[in-house]
Amino acid sequence: DVQLQESGPGLVKPSQTVSLTCTVTGISITTGNYRWSWIRQFPGNKLEWIGYIYYSGTITYNPSLTSRTTITRDTSKNQFFLEMNSLTAEDTATYYCARDEVRLGRAFAYWGQGTLVTVSA
Amino acid sequence: QIVLTQSPALMSASPGEKVTMTCSASSSVSYMYWYQQKPRSSPKPWIYLTSNLASGVPARFSGSGSGTSYSLTISSMEAEDAATYYCQQWSSNPPTFGGGTKLEIK
Repeated sequence: DVQLQESGPGLVKPSQTVSLTCTVTGISITTGNYRWSWIRQFPGNKLEWIGYIYYSGTITYNPSLTSRTTITRDTSKNQFFLEMNSLTAEDTATYYCARDEVRLGRAFAYWGQGTLVTVSA
Repeated sequence: QIVLTQSPALMSASPGEKVTMTCSASSSVSYMYWYQQKPRSSPKPWIYLTSNLASGVPARFSGSGSGTSYSLTISSMEAEDAATYYCQQWSSNPPTFGGGTKLEIK
């Protein structure tokens, strides 16, 4: 059973960098034809896709966030990561990791439970 | 990027009532996904490739549309259907989501 679990610091100061981890169980992040994504949901519930790392290691970012976002992975730990810098209060959101599913036409089929990142002094 | 506009933003329906919500795209897309989200939970895939129901989704749900206009319909509202529904496209990068339709039970 595929499961994703986010972890992160919770509270970050403005202008700082946040690092989030997504731990995946049930499948290797290097197998299959899957895109491992980061998605965030703002207070008020708007959803924004941040980027993904493909099973092959190729990375694609949302153009609106590419200048301050980095996605990486550690295949030995079956984890992938999100780093976002120059944070402001507008980055306060619940951050999800998610995976698409080819059987569902590339819909985001698996989601973590989300981790809340609050940007505040 | 393609902007998805959902309407209405908020609606309520009585048990047994037919419900329809729409998703309008700023440019033509090939297909649409829909997600259901309940409070304190992650979104769940609900409809994929415009009209296919995800596993476990009741048959009273249906999806349709093409081009820039898509819809999700519930043939007979049930209490468990109260939730927020989001549309999403990935016909072009970046994938984008609609603002959601919150459906309440009367």
